[in-house]
Amino acid sequence: DVKVTQSSRYLVKRTGEKVFLECVQDMDHENMFWYRQDPGLGLRLIYFSYDVKMKEKGDIPEGYSVSREKKERFSLILESASTNQTSMYLCASGLTGTNEKLFFGSGTQLSVL
Amino acid sequence: AQKVTQAQTEISVVEKEDVTLDCVYETRDTTYYLFWYKQPPSGELVFLIRRNSFDEQNEISGRYSWNFQKSTSSFNFTITASQVVDSAVYFCALSEARTGGFKTIFGAGTRLFVKA
Repeated sequence: DVKVTQSSRYLVKRTGEKVFLECVQDMDHENMFWYRQDPGLGLRLIYFSYDVKMKEKGDIPEGYSVSREKKERFSLILESASTNQTSMYLCASGLTGTNEKLFFGSGTQLSVL
Repeated sequence: AQKVTQAQTEISVVEKEDVTLDCVYETRDTTYYLFWYKQPPSGELVFLIRRNSFDEQNEISGRYSWNFQKSTSSFNFTITASQVVDSAVYFCALSEARTGGFKTIFGAGTRLFVKA
């Protein structure tokens, strides 16, 4: 069964902490994505990656960075967490260049206090 | 610019009722793809359907059906004889061909409650 696995389902952090959200996929997909989900706003794209060590900004990259050292792993980094980054974070993966469907992880609900 | 609007924030129905979830999109691209995803309480979005802009044929899959109308820029989703297990948040999404699938835009979602 194909899977996108996010390391934590719930996470509580303090303002100013550095936060790492990890995502691993086992489908050998080239593309990986980080979205955040907020009520009334749907899913918004933070960053995506189309290959190892390659990354592109999405629609709301401010306050975030990403790392993709291996094809199967895509990490989202909050350099200095703030309360407005409290949200549900969803990782997704997909095949390249074909507008195909995305496969999602179960999400990480991050609370920044 | 691309945009997806799901005007219904929440819908509540009683089991066995039919329900239609609305989706209106905006795009300047002539080639694009439309999607519906289901997000159950577990959190993981599950793919339901993908249509390309050249295929306006309606689709039926069991109790699910989709009505794609380019003239009104709509891609509505109907659940026939709803069941409690259909309770979830449903997202409509749009991906323009020129973005190569890198930028899928999602609507705000419609939360469906199906009561027994």
